[in-house]
Amino acid sequence: EAQVTQNPRYLITVTGKKLTVTCSQNMNHEYMSWYRQDPGLGLRQIYYSMNVEVTDKGDVPEGYKVSRKEKRNFPLILESPSPNQTSLYFCASSPGTRGYTFGSGTRLTVV
Amino acid sequence: GENVEQHPSTLSVQEGDSAVIKCTYSDSASNYFPWYKQELGKGPQLIIDIRSNVGEKKDQRIAVTLNKTAKHFSLHITETQPEDSAVYFCAAGGKETSYDKVIFGPGTSLSVIP
Repeated sequence: EAQVTQNPRYLITVTGKKLTVTCSQNMNHEYMSWYRQDPGLGLRQIYYSMNVEVTDKGDVPEGYKVSRKEKRNFPLILESPSPNQTSLYFCASSPGTRGYTFGSGTRLTVV
Repeated sequence: GENVEQHPSTLSVQEGDSAVIKCTYSDSASNYFPWYKQELGKGPQLIIDIRSNVGEKKDQRIAVTLNKTAKHFSLHITETQPEDSAVYFCAAGGKETSYDKVIFGPGTSLSVIP
């Protein structure tokens, strides 16, 4: 089944403890992206990648890192999480000719 | 940069009626306009998209219209069914391909009453 898989689905962590949210797609898509979803703000892009080793900042990149060492994987790294990064996160991929296919989301709580 | 507004924020319709969601965008260079449906507990799902060289596109009960002059685009759902209940997001992008930054509207929560 064609899909974007992100893990974990739920995560509670403490301020300052580094964490990684994994994302993998099995559709051989070139483009991948991370979004965060907050009530009343819709979906805001954090980072995106056009190909292996090619990434760029989205609208809200502060406090996040990404890497794209393989085509299928696009992990999101929070080096020092803070409470304002509590949110619902989505990974997405696209072939570049149409919109994104989204994962099921990761609900992150930073206390 | 691009800014996308979406109205209404909530919409309730009777089953079988039509639903219309409207969006406006600010960047005249935007020329890709996807619509997403998000069901509770799931990620957004692309349901239809339109490019700037097309004024209207239809897929079964769903249609999208685009007015580039006015920078408006709308989603029309006919013969609504309870399974259409979800949050709908419009988006506007700066290039023909999807990888470029796509700015999302704040969403419309649609409830279809049986």
